Amino acid sequence: DTAVSQTPKYLVTQMGNDKSIKCEQNLGHDTMYWYKQDSKKFLKIMFSYNNKELIINETVPNRFSPKSPDKAHLNLHINSLELGDSAVYFCASSYRQGASTQYFGPGTRLTVL
Amino acid sequence: RKEVEQDPGPFNVPEGATVAFNCTYSNSASQSFFWYRQDCRKEPKLLMSVYSSGNEDGRFTAQLNRASQYISLLIRDSKLSDSATYLCVVNMGAAGNKLTFGGGTRVLVKP
Repeated sequence: DTAVSQTPKYLVTQMGNDKSIKCEQNLGHDTMYWYKQDSKKFLKIMFSYNNKELIINETVPNRFSPKSPDKAHLNLHINSLELGDSAVYFCASSYRQGASTQYFGPGTRLTVL
Repeated sequence: RKEVEQDPGPFNVPEGATVAFNCTYSNSASQSFFWYRQDCRKEPKLLMSVYSSGNEDGRFTAQLNRASQYISLLIRDSKLSDSATYLCVVNMGAAGNKLTFGGGTRVLVKP
């Protein structure tokens, strides 16, 4: 059984396009996150939602918009994709806000051409 | 200065040997500390939490030095399967209790 799943696993697209990444967790967790891992392997938090409420919104361009239709889902929509958006995007969840253990999805490798 | 700093490595370790590496953090008010493990092209997974008194989990020992603001991870009797990137993670107690990840230390265990 997959705990945190993401789709798609790979995404190759042209500059200027709009794309979405979906995330679902079946752990019953309250909190979900989006992280970006760039080519230098630094993992940086982008957003966090707790029970569908936005809790953390790091300095991320407005082109990135998260949406949480319910606490089991957190999607990420990216408008007007740029070359610098190429990275691996990880979704994660935790039992509650601030919980030590975060469970990560398998990642979505985004390549912008 | 980065909030969480690690030696990127790689640490080349003979199978069966012991390897240890540190991670420094900038915020003295940081509340909790963890080591995550990330295999190549995979997602990070929690390896262990780091407690003030130090803690051990099998061949892995984690230590916290609050005065000098660093945590360490020691791996004894290294196995080939220990080859991975080890991510130092700190909860600095900021709004939302976000976790801040270091850039990772790569460990390669060789026969």
